[in-house]
Amino acid sequence: GNSVTQMEGPVTLSEEAFLTINCTYTATGYPSLFWYVQYPGEGLQLLLKATKADDKGSNKGFEATYRKETTSFHLEKGSVQVSDSAVYFCALSDISNAGKSTFGDGTTLTVKP
Amino acid sequence: NAGVMQNPRHLVRRRGQEARLRCSPMKGHSHVYWYRQLPEEGLKFMVYLQKENIIDESGMPKERFSAEFPKEGPSILRIQQVVRGDSAAYFCASSRRQGFSYEQYFGPGTRLTVT
Repeated sequence: GNSVTQMEGPVTLSEEAFLTINCTYTATGYPSLFWYVQYPGEGLQLLLKATKADDKGSNKGFEATYRKETTSFHLEKGSVQVSDSAVYFCALSDISNAGKSTFGDGTTLTVKP
Repeated sequence: NAGVMQNPRHLVRRRGQEARLRCSPMKGHSHVYWYRQLPEEGLKFMVYLQKENIIDESGMPKERFSAEFPKEGPSILRIQQVVRGDSAAYFCASSRRQGFSYEQYFGPGTRLTVT
């Protein structure tokens, strides 16, 4: 079956530091990959996505590249802000399974001023 | 275009009562998914529905939990005889196929507390 493994948290960084959150996956088909962000007390918001190998998703300064050879989709940001503090979830969905998503356990990021 | 709507946002039930959680998908979306998030954990898939059909309920507990998505109206997740372990955030997502991908849009969740 499908699975997603995320870097364990929590992660604490100073403002303007570089961020990497690792994500690797196992899938039987050709999944689409996603990063979602969840702010306290809210639902999940789609941050970025990639639908095929070597695609790069980007949004709000965050980037992730779909690496089929290493089955990875690491999230990066060059300079984090306090407002980036949230929980980040890596996920995959498989079209053969009608988009049912498999999520990682989430990584809590705290950015200190 | 309104997003996915869930209500209530917060629900308190005593042990043994029933909980009904509602989800209205985005306009034009015919796929609905329910996920459960226990405190400090990730989201776990529960059930996937299309109008009037349950497609995949492999994540649903075998007892007390049921889901429906009628021809008219919202999707309902029903938990009978709730227990303390049912306390969690329940998220609904909806999607439609876009090429080779199904991009899911999440509602704000219903936070169920069982006392």
